[in-house]
Amino acid sequence: AQSVTQLDSQVPVFEEAPVELRCNYSSSVSVYLFWYVQYPNQGLQLLLKYLSGSTLVKGINGFEAEFNKSQTSFHLRKPSVHISDTAEYFCAVTTDSWGKLQFGAGTQVVVTP
Amino acid sequence: SQTIHQWPATLVQPVGSPLSLECTVEGTSNPNLYWYRQAAGRGLQLLFYSIGIGQISSEVPQNLSASRPQDRQFILSSKKLLLSDSGFYLCAWSPGLNQPQHFGDGTRLSIL
Repeated sequence: AQSVTQLDSQVPVFEEAPVELRCNYSSSVSVYLFWYVQYPNQGLQLLLKYLSGSTLVKGINGFEAEFNKSQTSFHLRKPSVHISDTAEYFCAVTTDSWGKLQFGAGTQVVVTP
Repeated sequence: SQTIHQWPATLVQPVGSPLSLECTVEGTSNPNLYWYRQAAGRGLQLLFYSIGIGQISSEVPQNLSASRPQDRQFILSSKKLLLSDSGFYLCAWSPGLNQPQHFGDGTRLSIL
């Protein structure tokens, strides 16, 4: 079975600074990877996905992530954050034909002026 | 375009009362459907998923059940709620195998 580890439970960052959220997974077969963002009291919104092809994936709101098969990682990055990026971010992986997602525990990003 | 609707947005129920949360998807057919629960400060736990009408799979034993009476309708139910059923319930759909899931806005359920 696959598992997902988000290494940081909370990441404080200043406005306009870069941010990286770390995600590692374990799986013995090919994976499909996703990052979601959740604003307070809302559902999850898809930021980006890796299904196949280029290992550098660009998503919405200026986020990007890089799939590294050898390190089993899918870290999320943004070169310059805004106050509005304050939210919780979830990494998710699936290898199942049903498309069931295994979510990480989440990383809370707090952007301050 | 496809949309997903969940209601109600918030719900306060006494222990031992029944529950019915509804989720509907528009703009697609034969979606995969999912119910998740998110407890405070924790990640998402998959409760049920469905690949078609009347086909429900349960991920964890619990006090809840799910039904799919129509292609784009997914209902989460309980006959008698427990305090431990409190949480944020999310419905999601995906168009097919290994495709991204798209989430509704959630229902915050508080049990008193």
